[in-house]
Amino acid sequence: KQEVTQIPAALSVPEGENLVLNCSFTDSAIYNLQWFRQDPGKGLTSLLLIQSSQREQTSGRLNASLDKSSGRSTLYIAASQPGDSATYLCAVRPSNDYKLSFGAGTTVTVRA
Amino acid sequence: GAVVSQHPSRVICKSGTSVKIECRSLDFQATTMFWYRQFPKQSLMLMATSNEGSKATYEQGVEKDKFLINHASLTLSTLTVTSAHPEDSSFYICSARDGTSGNTIYFGEGSWLTVV
Repeated sequence: KQEVTQIPAALSVPEGENLVLNCSFTDSAIYNLQWFRQDPGKGLTSLLLIQSSQREQTSGRLNASLDKSSGRSTLYIAASQPGDSATYLCAVRPSNDYKLSFGAGTTVTVRA
Repeated sequence: GAVVSQHPSRVICKSGTSVKIECRSLDFQATTMFWYRQFPKQSLMLMATSNEGSKATYEQGVEKDKFLINHASLTLSTLTVTSAHPEDSSFYICSARDGTSGNTIYFGEGSWLTVV
């Protein structure tokens, strides 16, 4: 059974600092890994999706890396802003199914 | 891009009543939809897989008689929480698989259920 762990559970930084969020998974037989953002009381917003054959994906200030063999992904957010405050979830899709396994998330607070 | 719509986004119901949540794929046919539940400060947990025209497949520990799932068409799946209790209060979110677009999975906006 796939286990997805996100560390740290919470993070508070001053505006302008770079953010580093970690996600690890136990079964490397994945199809892809996806990072989501969830604002309080809201649904999920997909940020980046990395296919198993890829090493990284970038979108604006966001960069996600994937090391499938070691079961790790990292989400980097450059020059953080108060608007980046949210919970960030990573989810892994297995290579032989469509069911996603989610981490518990990292709650980020960016202080102005 | 593809859109999955969930309705209602928020619902409050009395203990003992039933409540239905709809999940619709708006511009693609979804042969498979998934229902997840999220308790406060916890991750999303898969409840069941909904297959069009057949019975849903429930994850271990999920009561199929309490959480009724119907996937009557290629664009609609419904989750009915029967005889709701306060402990059923949670965030419920669906996702749908677009088989014609590389099996991309799209998520709905989620539904907040509060049972009083």
